[in-house]
Amino acid sequence: NAGVTQTPKFRVLKTGQSMTLLCAQDMNHEYMYWYRQDPGMGLRLIHYSVGEGTTAKGEVPDGYNVSRLKKQNFLLGLESAAPSQTSVYFCASSKRRTGGPLGQETQYFGPGTRLLVL
Amino acid sequence: AQSVAQPEDQVNVAEGNPLTVKCTYSVSGNPYLFWYVQYPNRGLQFLLKYITGDNLVKGSYGFEAEFNKSQTSFHLKKPSALVSDSALYFCAASRSYQLTFGKGTKLSVIP
Repeated sequence: NAGVTQTPKFRVLKTGQSMTLLCAQDMNHEYMYWYRQDPGMGLRLIHYSVGEGTTAKGEVPDGYNVSRLKKQNFLLGLESAAPSQTSVYFCASSKRRTGGPLGQETQYFGPGTRLLVL
Repeated sequence: AQSVAQPEDQVNVAEGNPLTVKCTYSVSGNPYLFWYVQYPNRGLQFLLKYITGDNLVKGSYGFEAEFNKSQTSFHLKKPSALVSDSALYFCAASRSYQLTFGKGTKLSVIP
């Protein structure tokens, strides 16, 4: 059981280049999330998905796009990278809540992708 | 809007001593609160969470957290610190699909 995995581990881009970060989970989780971590700011939610074929914006979505074509995969795209997108990106997943209010389920995180945009 | 504050950027404690990492929150409605730990160059690992019920929550690796509604706090504690506990600790509050994180507290346990 690998849990949540992320590809690549590290990448250097030039301003204006594009790339896709891949997240995969083998826990059959319905919900998946993309966060970015910046020094002194904790983690901030970029986009999330509550099921195959559905995505929604989080706190800091500008400059990013996502797709969830398969339940186990969640892709994060940068169409035109900017230096402000230099960060560590974390993917997470959680079960679907079957009863009661949302927000009680534990999120499980991948190891992260370190991105440097020059 | 909800927010989480971790007032200490760094906490230093001697090995074997009790440790506390502080967290306060501001949420509307019933709070769902979490603690995660991050070791260098690793992802976040879940430690424990408070949903409802007993104010003292026990978690992984001997950690526990005390929920205090009147003080809006959720401090992380451990009776006896280990050098291997040295890491970055995050408190988070959950609302719907979103986790709101504090800025993190770096814990250093000194041998």
